[in-house]
Amino acid sequence: DVKVTQSSRYLVKRTGEKVFLECVQDMDHENMFWYRQDPGLGLRLIYFSYDVKMKEKGDIPEGYSVSREKKERFSLILESASTNQTSMYLCASTPPTSGRQDTQYFGPGTRLTVL
Amino acid sequence: AQSVAQPEDQVNVAEGNPLTVKCTYSVSGNPYLFWYVQYPNRGLQFLLKYITGDNLVKGSYGFEAEFNKSQTSFHLKKPSALVSDSALYFCAVRDVGVWGNNRLAFGKGNQVVVIP
Repeated sequence: DVKVTQSSRYLVKRTGEKVFLECVQDMDHENMFWYRQDPGLGLRLIYFSYDVKMKEKGDIPEGYSVSREKKERFSLILESASTNQTSMYLCASTPPTSGRQDTQYFGPGTRLTVL
Repeated sequence: AQSVAQPEDQVNVAEGNPLTVKCTYSVSGNPYLFWYVQYPNRGLQFLLKYITGDNLVKGSYGFEAEFNKSQTSFHLKKPSALVSDSALYFCAVRDVGVWGNNRLAFGKGNQVVVIP
């Protein structure tokens, strides 16, 4: 069965802290994604990675960076957390596009609060 | 870029009544369309997708969606709603990134409330 896990369900950090959000998938998927979810705005793509050490900016990359050193792990980094980064963060993964393999599999989410 | 719109913020329906959640799309080329559901404090779960073929797509939990090319719509439907269907529903369309890699563009979501 498909499984995507995120390191924390709830996280509270202070303004200016460096924050790491971790995502791990056990399906040998090439593609991994980080979204943030805010009420009324839906899901917005921050970054995605289509292979180890490869990344592409999404729609709202400012204030974030990512790391993909191993295929199964995709990390989202908030270099200096700010209160406007308080949000729900969702990780997803998907196999490389091949016919019907477009479905994204999501983790449970990390609710981050920046004080 | 490809996009989807979900025109309603919230859909209220009585238990046992038909449920419809609306989605319209804007794409160049053939659309690849998806529906996801999010239960409280959970990640998104895949419901169904349209790639090609039959315009009526059947998915999980008794849901189906109808692809209508002339109206550029992909509405999600369930003949008889359950209280347990109360959740946030997202429509999405496959988009392509700068390097040709696939991504999904999501709508803002619809809150569905099924009233007992």
